[in-house]
Order: sequence, then structure tokens, then C-alpha cells
Amino acid sequence: AQSVAQPEDQVNVAEGNPLTVKCTYSVSGNPYLFWYVQYPNRGLQFLLKYITGDNLVKGSYGFEAEFNKSQTSFHLKKPSALVSDSALYFCAVRDRNDYKLSFGAGTTVTVRA
Amino acid sequence: NAGVTQTPKFQVLKTGQSMTLQCAQDMNHEYMSWYRQDPGMGLRLIHYSVGAGITDQGEVPNGYNVSRSTTEDFPLRLLSAAPSQTSVYFCASSKGQPNTEAFFGQGTRLTVV
Repeated sequence: AQSVAQPEDQVNVAEGNPLTVKCTYSVSGNPYLFWYVQYPNRGLQFLLKYITGDNLVKGSYGFEAEFNKSQTSFHLKKPSALVSDSALYFCAVRDRNDYKLSFGAGTTVTVRA
Repeated sequence: NAGVTQTPKFQVLKTGQSMTLQCAQDMNHEYMSWYRQDPGMGLRLIHYSVGAGITDQGEVPNGYNVSRSTTEDFPLRLLSAAPSQTSVYFCASSKGQPNTEAFFGQGTRLTVV
């Protein structure tokens, strides 16, 4: 069985400050890891993924994520948050031998001006 | 450049009614899936398909049926709607490799009264 935990329901930061959204995962084998963002009344949009290689992955809109195998984590980061980054963020995991994609419960990010 | 198209966007059903949520993709993706999104629970996998003629159950399949007669279409049928099926439903598609990201439709907001 595979699962994802996003320990924070909400993250609040001031514009211009660093943003971190936490994610830990559990899979039986090696994982593929993904981050998605959802704006109000919209579908999910892909931000970035970890497949293999460099543990620091860069994605869309200035976001990056760091894969840490020993801590089974894949935290999403942005050095300088924008008000437009306010949205719902989902972490997802897929076992390399499976097609099923499992999502965390989501973290609501609010960036105040 | 349509991507993943879901219809309808909104639907209200009475308890016991049946209906089909439509999903179509124009990217020639092998893998398609249906999720439901409920507050605080993230996205939960209902059914998925790895190709035409092949479907399988996800995490919460009870009360739902699917079929995959073509690569493009993956309809979700509610056999006898119940208030517990009130949710937002998302269809997703991806290429036939587990390391590829999923593309999501805009969602169908279903209310069962």
C-alpha cells in the first residue's frame, strides 16, 4: 500500500518570504513523486516531479522540491512567495511498479500582501 | 488543445437516480482514472484504466462503474445515487508509463439530494 501525508492543513506566509509545503510518503518500492496545484473551481495542474537522479527538482512558476529518501520526504519550496501562489497544493506518490497515483489531503497556502 | 474534457460541470441528482459522467482526452494517453475530491480527504481513486478494454478498481469503487471501449473516452456511471456520493469528480489521463504526470479535467460538481 502507498500513502502520502501532508501534515499541515494550512500554511500562511507574507509575500516575498520563503514558502515550504511539507510532504512525506510511504511506498513498498521506489517512488515517483509529484506536486500539483489547484486554484479555486479548477482542476489540478502539474508543478513538478521526481523520477530519479538529482534530489533537487525544479518546476513551474519558480517552485522546487527536495527528495529525501532517508526521511521519505518531498517538500515543496519557493524562495520568494507571491500573492498569486495562494492555492491548494497536493503531493502525490506512485510506486514504480504501479499505475495508481495516491494523493495527500492537500495544504492550503495563503500568501498575504 | 482540449486536453481532458469533462461533462457536465455541475449536476444535481435525486437519491436513487443514475447518471454518467463523461470524460474524453485527445492526447492519446493510455492511462485514465477517476477521482473524487472531498474536503480534508484529498483525492481518492475510484476506478482506473491502463488501456482500452482494461479497467480496475481503486480505493473507493463501490457505487460506481466504468468502461473503456476507446482510448479517448472513460465514462463513470453512478448506478443509484446516494447523498454520500455528493462530491467533486475529476478525470485524469497520462501516458502509459508510471513516471509521467497526470493531466486533469476541470471537474464535475455533483450534488445528490
